Amino acid sequence: KAGVTQTPRYLIKTRGQQVTLSCSPISGHRSVSWYQQTPGQGLQFLFEYFSETQRNKGNFPGRFSGRQFSNSRSEMNVSTLELGDSALYLCASSSGGGGGTDTQYFGPGTRLTVL
Amino acid sequence: DQQVKQNSPSLSVQEGRISILNCDYTNSMFDYFLWYKKYPAEGPTFLISISSIKDKNEDGRFTVFLNKSAKHLSLHIVPSQPGDSAVYFCAAHGGSNYKLTFGKGTLLTVNP
Repeated sequence: KAGVTQTPRYLIKTRGQQVTLSCSPISGHRSVSWYQQTPGQGLQFLFEYFSETQRNKGNFPGRFSGRQFSNSRSEMNVSTLELGDSALYLCASSSGGGGGTDTQYFGPGTRLTVL
Repeated sequence: DQQVKQNSPSLSVQEGRISILNCDYTNSMFDYFLWYKKYPAEGPTFLISISSIKDKNEDGRFTVFLNKSAKHLSLHIVPSQPGDSAVYFCAAHGGSNYKLTFGKGTLLTVNP
């Protein structure tokens, strides 16, 4: 079974621009979560989608948004980029059936650099 | 407020010996715990998990122990191999909360 895929793998943008990242989950998985990894803050939760609905959201400003399509693929968008948005953005998928023992599997990440 | 803590930023062990990575948590709502292994510039790879109804789970060379009363879990790797060298993250979630809360990670170096 193919794993989680993320595109693009690397991205360079300038301050003030916006960016869209894409994630395709493991086949059959209906939940997609997004995380940001930075050296200072570690891995932080952005949001989670299930059946095209956002179920949970982390403590990030409104510039960070996402959506999920009917085929479970997800996109996240960051508007008005700031230098501090430079990070590795990770997508994870799971069956989404319940919080109990639902294991999340991660993609390779998108490395975003903001100049 | 850091709800999942990995107090050792790094650990160095000899090949063939046991590696023990520790993790503490503060949120008593957490009921499912996972360990991930991560190489630089790659996504975390799932290793092993444990539900709060168990105190031990084994998978090959990897064993996770959970002490609920102490809010502590540990990952044992026996025997350690050079290919195990990576950053190991402890993560947790609980109830209807669908987000994973991660520790800061421990860099494990296994020396040949």
